[in-house]
Amino acid sequence: SQQGEEDPQALSIQEGENATMNCSYKTSINNLQWYRQNSGRGLVHLILIRSNEREKHSGRLRVTLDTSKKSSSLLITASRAADTASYFCATDAVNAGGTSYGKLTFGQGTILTVHP
Amino acid sequence: DVKVTQSSRYLVKRTGEKVFLECVQDMDHENMFWYRQDPGLGLRLIYFSYDVKMKEKGDIPEGYSVSREKKERFSLILESASTNQTSMYLCASSLLFGLPAGELFFGEGSRLTVL
Repeated sequence: SQQGEEDPQALSIQEGENATMNCSYKTSINNLQWYRQNSGRGLVHLILIRSNEREKHSGRLRVTLDTSKKSSSLLITASRAADTASYFCATDAVNAGGTSYGKLTFGQGTILTVHP
Repeated sequence: DVKVTQSSRYLVKRTGEKVFLECVQDMDHENMFWYRQDPGLGLRLIYFSYDVKMKEKGDIPEGYSVSREKKERFSLILESASTNQTSMYLCASSLLFGLPAGELFFGEGSRLTVL
């Protein structure tokens, strides 16, 4: 079953606007990661946030994590046409022993289109 | 920079053929993964490996097998390709096993079409 579910499925904005994507998940996690995928290419890691962190920044990216609501958001500020891509959240779930399964489970992704 | 190389970007095979998808990483990573990506379904884990000759089933292993004879190489095998295996296949690697899952480094993907 899918651990992470992104919302919205698609987002269309103008250059300069902010883009916010949300991710919900079902079980306890060690960390949550966001990835970007340009059309027809592999995924590229953007940012990792641990379960004991609430917010993290990297350049124009801001990620929040609310473990009580089992949700995360990715904010891209001052978007550019080059930000057009699919964005995926991925979770590292906690196993029965309280550690990691050693693998990530991905959501279905949000397709972001930034118009010049 | 970590590089994950998938041997073929595009393949076209016929139903029943045996298909090999090869993946090589050059950063001495312990973990390697095979995902398939389909529209509306996101990425789904097929198999992963945390050491040479070790493998673990992912969420959708049926119809696939894997081989890891060397640390840097992880192969996905479709013993008898079927049309429902038409998909984008993505290989990834990560540094360490036994810790919370770290950053994955992905290859460019192999788009397989089974006729």
